[in-house]
Amino acid sequence: DADVTQTPRNRITKTGKRIMLECSQTKGHDRMYWYRQDPGLGLRLIYYSFDVKDINKGEISDGYSVSRQAQAKFSLSLESAIPNQTALYFCATSDFGDRHNEQFFGPGTRLTVL
Amino acid sequence: GENVEQHPSTLSVQEGDSAVIKCTYSDSASNYFPWYKQELGKGPQLIIDIRSNVGEKKDQRIAVTLNKTAKHFSLHITETQPEDSAVYFCAASRDRYSSASKIIFGSGTRLSIRP
Repeated sequence: DADVTQTPRNRITKTGKRIMLECSQTKGHDRMYWYRQDPGLGLRLIYYSFDVKDINKGEISDGYSVSRQAQAKFSLSLESAIPNQTALYFCATSDFGDRHNEQFFGPGTRLTVL
Repeated sequence: GENVEQHPSTLSVQEGDSAVIKCTYSDSASNYFPWYKQELGKGPQLIIDIRSNVGEKKDQRIAVTLNKTAKHFSLHITETQPEDSAVYFCAASRDRYSSASKIIFGSGTRLSIRP
């Protein structure tokens, strides 16, 4: 969805490096999410934010941190990357006015940690 | 915690045949069940959903069914076409007004349509 953009799209890094993945949206949604996708494990929630002042841990937040710089921007950081953080990462948004939180996903960032 | 199980993990069908993907959920308070389709190189996109007060919903060649008693729901694709090849995710969630309005996704099904 072109309304949700992620940078970079691909990144290869080394163990121990700090990495930041960025997400921007033009949909005007309040809610933003970071998911991780691994083969056979589906989409797992890392962090979510229901507004600029609200940050919540998901099911797999260990080793990650986030920052909600503005309504439209939500970044994910790996302070010290490790190989098992190699995965496809998705940012998503949803509208508070949507009763069922339809998720609008970005195109993903493929991260490889060597 | 809440869990959504999805089967099969991979599915290959002949073009024109039907495909069925099944999911079960654990949270009895779940009342909304969306299905997302992820095409190669893209993020998942909502294709159909069903609410707990409905047993079946159709949209052209796709349909979803829900059995609340058994906590099962399924995606049915009829007359499959090459463009149906993708990864499909089921999910379950509660209304946003509850304290836990996160969406729990299944593990995904990679559907391949054979020509």
